[in-house]
Amino acid sequence: KQEVTQIPAALSVPEGENLVLNCSFTDSAIYNLQWFRQDPGKGLTSLLLIQSSQREQTSGRLNASLDKSSGRSTLYIAASQPGDSATYLCAVRLSGGSNYKLTFGKGTLLTVNP
Amino acid sequence: KAGVTQTPRYLIKTRGQQVTLSCSPISGHRSVSWYQQTPGQGLQFLFEYFSETQRNKGNFPGRFSGRQFSNSRSEMNVSTLELGDSALYLCASSLNLNGDAEAFFGQGTRLTVV
Repeated sequence: KQEVTQIPAALSVPEGENLVLNCSFTDSAIYNLQWFRQDPGKGLTSLLLIQSSQREQTSGRLNASLDKSSGRSTLYIAASQPGDSATYLCAVRLSGGSNYKLTFGKGTLLTVNP
Repeated sequence: KAGVTQTPRYLIKTRGQQVTLSCSPISGHRSVSWYQQTPGQGLQFLFEYFSETQRNKGNFPGRFSGRQFSNSRSEMNVSTLELGDSALYLCASSLNLNGDAEAFFGQGTRLTVV
């Protein structure tokens, strides 16, 4: 059974700091890994999608890496801003079989202080 | 283009009642999945529909059901509501049923059972 863990559960940083969020998964047989952002009481916004054949993806100040063999992904946020404050979730989509459901971690609650 | 639309945004129901939630996927997307989000369990997969057929189902009781229409819009129904059904229900749409497809989520329906 695929399990996804995100560390830390919460992180508070001053504005301008670079930071790394971690995601680990137990089953390396995945199609892809997706990072999402969730603001309080809202839905999920897709940030980055990394296919299993890729090592990293970049979008603006965000960079996500994937090491499938070790079951790890990191989300790097450069020059953090107060508007980055949110919960960040990673999710993996298992390969094999016909169930393509996403398995989510519990998220990292990020607070960026002005 | 329009994103995933979920209606209603908020619902308050009494124990024992039933409820129907609606999801309109992104235009052209044919796969719709439903997830339940609670503080204790995080995001859990309910079911996935493609071409009006339920393709996969999560580990939820039979009180939870759904369907998909020919225009890809989906509804989920919960009968005999329990207090524990209070949650944020999220719908995700994907272009197809391929494992490498990116998932896009709606804003969710906040269900409160009293």
